[in-house]
Amino acid sequence: DIQMTQSPSSLSASVGDRVTITCRASQGISNSLAWYQQKPGKAPKLLLYAASRLESGVPSRFSGSGSGTDYTLTISSLQPEDFATYYCQQYYTTPLTFGGGTKVEIK
Amino acid sequence: QLQLQESGPGLVKPSETLSLTCTVSGGSISSSNYYWGWIRQPPGKGLEWIGTIYYSGSTYYNPSLKSRVTLSVDTSKNQFSLKVSSVTAADTAVYYCARLGAVAAAALWYWGQGTLVTVSS
Repeated sequence: DIQMTQSPSSLSASVGDRVTITCRASQGISNSLAWYQQKPGKAPKLLLYAASRLESGVPSRFSGSGSGTDYTLTISSLQPEDFATYYCQQYYTTPLTFGGGTKVEIK
Repeated sequence: QLQLQESGPGLVKPSETLSLTCTVSGGSISSSNYYWGWIRQPPGKGLEWIGTIYYSGSTYYNPSLKSRVTLSVDTSKNQFSLKVSSVTAADTAVYYCARLGAVAAAALWYWGQGTLVTVSS
């Protein structure tokens, strides 16, 4: 199985801050990476796929980058509605695997 | 707009079988080229992929659960289903159904709202 390691596991930030979350795969995944946002009591929502492609309707302050084993989700200017938990997921191969999550909290 | 809705018992006894159904609306399981899957999330924890099915019946399972999991599809009802046998407290989780992309290993584009299943006597 491909292990996905996310860091940090949590962070505190203020509205307007630039936030970066990292996801590292245990082997190369050729940009087969998705990012999700999950709010309490809700299902995850797809934000980006293919490492850097924004899902329709997702604000442009969200961006993704990376290659090989290392990937990054960046929120350029944190908004109140962005406080949530974020997960990465590799789909290079089955079993599909997720990172452990990053909880973004209000500072 | 595609919608998915999980249904099934919220309480299952240990050693019994957990059964859930996902009803798809706003699109046909059999007329599309998409894969369909199940994911679970224990309370306060992360996400775990359970398995994926195609409308033809082809299945892909997480090896960690494969011996206890069965996925099936009913195209006449536009539904797909999950069974997990011999459940224990460790199977207590919110169970989500989802639509994947056009291959078995894909991102999860649409999700149901999730249903909490508690394993307890």
